[in-house]
This record gives sequence, structure tokens and C-alpha cells, in this order.
Amino acid sequence: EVQLVESGGGLKQPGGSLRLSCVASGFTYGDYAMNWVRQAPGKGLEWVSGISGSGGFTSYADSVKGRCTISRDNSKSTLYLQLSSLRAEDTALYLCARAGTQGIVSTILYWGQGTLVTVSS
Amino acid sequence: NFMLTQPHSVSESPGKTVTISCTRSGGSIASDYVQWYQQRPGSSPTTVIYDDTQRPSGVPDRFSGSIDRSSNSASLTISGLKTEDEADYYCQSYDSSKQVFGGGTKLTVL
Repeated sequence: EVQLVESGGGLKQPGGSLRLSCVASGFTYGDYAMNWVRQAPGKGLEWVSGISGSGGFTSYADSVKGRCTISRDNSKSTLYLQLSSLRAEDTALYLCARAGTQGIVSTILYWGQGTLVTVSS
Repeated sequence: NFMLTQPHSVSESPGKTVTISCTRSGGSIASDYVQWYQQRPGSSPTTVIYDDTQRPSGVPDRFSGSIDRSSNSASLTISGLKTEDEADYYCQSYDSSKQVFGGGTKLTVL
């Protein structure tokens, strides 16, 4: 069974930074691209970033580009998201999501339960 | 860059058929595959359609996807509606290496 478990959320200060983690199990982690998708309270889904199965290719939404880094450790089956210069509009549930193939342009087939990030002073 | 536009809400009765549209502004709907995700209240999304028309294993064949080049839109059709189908539905496609989501459609089954 595919499982994706996020952690690292909580209350963050404006201007501060965060590091989220997603531990995967139930599949060969390095064979699949991974994504972060966020959902602000009461709002729709917003794709944040994606990374290929090997980690060699990454992509970012315009809303986070320049202050966001996605990475993965295939030896630990873990996905990371670093986001800096936090703003109130970064407040959201951050969901880890597994793609259907190694490539970054690939449908999302599995979703985690998410970790909630609140940016407030 | 392009946007995917969905109706804010739709409603239909149990047992009926409903279609949710997703219109692409800028570029052809056929240029990149479209996916559909279902999100029930309080739950994470699940994938109900991928690559325009494909159903993941476990998704009932009451769910079907299509694209229409003439209207530059994709559609999700749910037949034999059940109360458990009440959820938010999101379409999604690709803009180069980025993923683009529609704004979501709230389906009410009443």
C-alpha cells in the first residue's frame, strides 16, 4: 500500500522559513516523480513544486520560485520542501503527492494527508 | 501560460448523470493530458481520471473523462450519481513542466 506521511508544519513567523518532509513507503521510491501541492483554508488546490524520480529535474510554481527548494533523498524514501521569506499567503495544508512515472510531467496518482502550515505573528 | 476554468458548482439528483466542464484558455486542450481529482470534505484528493480518459484501478466506470477540441474543454461525467459522489472536483493539466489546476467544482447530490 502506498503511504505518504508529511511532517514539519506548524506556526511559522512571517519572513521565516520552513522545511517539510514526506516519508514514502509501499513502492520503489526512486522510480517516481514527486510533487508538493498546497491548499489554503477553504480554497482550491495549488501545485507548488515537482521533482523527477532521480532528483535531476525540478520545477516550481511562479508563486514560490526563488524562495523554494524541493529535494529528495532516495536512500531514505523522503521528499523535502524548503520555503523561505514566508508570507501570510503561504498558509495552507501542504500535500505530498506521487506521480505515475519518473518524469516530472506525469499525473498524480497518490496523495498524502498533508501538514498544515500557518504563517502568522 | 494558460488557465483552466471550471463552474463553481453543479447539482443533480441521485441516479442521474452530471457533467463537469474544464475549459482551457490559451493553447489547445489536446496539447497536454487532463486529469481529474475528487476531494471529499475533510479528505485528501484522489485521482478519478488521468490522461484524459483513463480510470485508475478501483475507480468505478460511472466516472468517465473526455476532451472536446471544438470547445477547447475537458469534461468529467459521472453517471448513476450516488450521495458519496458529493465532493469537490478539480481538473489539472500541464504547462511545460508545471502543473495547472482548475479552480474546482463543488458537486452537490440532492
